Amino acid sequence: EPEVTQTPSHQVTQMGQEVILRCVPISNHLYFYWYRQILGQKVEFLVSFYNNEISEKSEIFDDQFSVERPDGSNFTLKIRSTKLEDSAMYFCASRGISENAFFGQGTRLTVV
Amino acid sequence: GESVGLHLPTLSVQEGDNSIINCAYSNSASDYFIWYKQESGKGPQFIIDIRSNMDKRQGQRVTVLLNKTVKHLSLQIAATQPGDSAVYFCAENIGGTASKLTFGTGTRLQVTL
Repeated sequence: EPEVTQTPSHQVTQMGQEVILRCVPISNHLYFYWYRQILGQKVEFLVSFYNNEISEKSEIFDDQFSVERPDGSNFTLKIRSTKLEDSAMYFCASRGISENAFFGQGTRLTVV
Repeated sequence: GESVGLHLPTLSVQEGDNSIINCAYSNSASDYFIWYKQESGKGPQFIIDIRSNMDKRQGQRVTVLLNKTVKHLSLQIAATQPGDSAVYFCAENIGGTASKLTFGTGTRLQVTL
């Protein structure tokens, strides 16, 4: 069964450092998303991406965040200067022509 | 605003019994709903979905009921098994495929033997 894959599974970084979270969406999907989940809280939308541009973003997705689809298969989330409150699970998701979104296993980001 | 460190409601069910997990959604314009299962340390896993023009949909051992009048969604799991233990989230969508999903708070299902 096709799946969304994310790397790394766990990333520890120092406050102020840049991190890049990587995702390989399902190959024939067209819509890509990043969500995050702070420990014990609900899953929150960050950004959606379609046709090589951002289609929607939440107020969490400020200037410190950026997304890119550099090579037609990877979909990355960059946090330019991490803060303690960026510590969370980050989930990538993708959708094809149906409305069902498939999620990856997540990257646990710990900012110290 | 949102609370920090939300305490998840928990449903405890005996193995073999039926489970009913409820969700209230907020936006009457939502046109598509999904139930996700999330096991510890993993991503949300699709269980079943329903469009707003339906009020019931059945899958394997699961049924979703939608009541648009009171903006309520429920997930029924028949013959609950230990492997069903997880946190269950409902998610709503407005405006088609590209749109974001808005997740509910979640319910923890604990299956006892």
